[in-house]
Amino acid sequence: EPEVTQTPSHQVTQMGQEVILRCVPISNHLYFYWYRQILGQKVEFLVSFYNNEISEKSEIFDDQFSVERPDGSNFTLKIRSTKLEDSAMYFCASSVGGGENEKLFFGSGTQLSVL
Amino acid sequence: SQKIEQNSEALNIQEGKTATLTCNYTNYSPAYLQWYRQDPGRGPVFLLLIRENEKEKRKERLKVTFDTTLKQSLFHITASQPADSATYLCALDDGNQGGKLIFGQGTELSVKP
Repeated sequence: EPEVTQTPSHQVTQMGQEVILRCVPISNHLYFYWYRQILGQKVEFLVSFYNNEISEKSEIFDDQFSVERPDGSNFTLKIRSTKLEDSAMYFCASSVGGGENEKLFFGSGTQLSVL
Repeated sequence: SQKIEQNSEALNIQEGKTATLTCNYTNYSPAYLQWYRQDPGRGPVFLLLIRENEKEKRKERLKVTFDTTLKQSLFHITASQPADSATYLCALDDGNQGGKLIFGQGTELSVKP
């Protein structure tokens, strides 16, 4: 069964450093998402992306965050200057469409630790 | 803003029994509701979707109900097995047709043999 692939599985960085989290969504999917989950808390929406542009973003997704689809297969999340509170599990997800009836396929996540 | 509440206490049941998990929401009328399973250190896995005009949906041992008057969904696992032990997440659409989901905090289910 096709799956969403995320790399790396773990990333440790120093506060203030830039990180790039990478994702390969399922090939025929058109909508891409980033969610995050702080340990013990809810899965939170960060951003959705369709047709090479952001379609929706949350309050968490401030100017320090950016997303990109540099080629036909990868989808990246960049955090420009990491803060301690950015430590979380980051999940990439994709779906065929973006409206109702669309289930999301999640990757296994990247555990980001900011020291 | 939208608020989603799932029973925060972990649910411990005996193998073979039916597990019932609750999802309540306020300040909102979602077009659909989804249930996901999450294992430790893994991403959520889709289980079922139910639309606002559907009262009940079934898939194998799983059943979901959606009561838009009570603003509540119930998720049932019949003939539960130890392999069903996981955290179950309720998720609602945000109404903006962009596919964004709002998740509840999840209920941890433990099925004892």
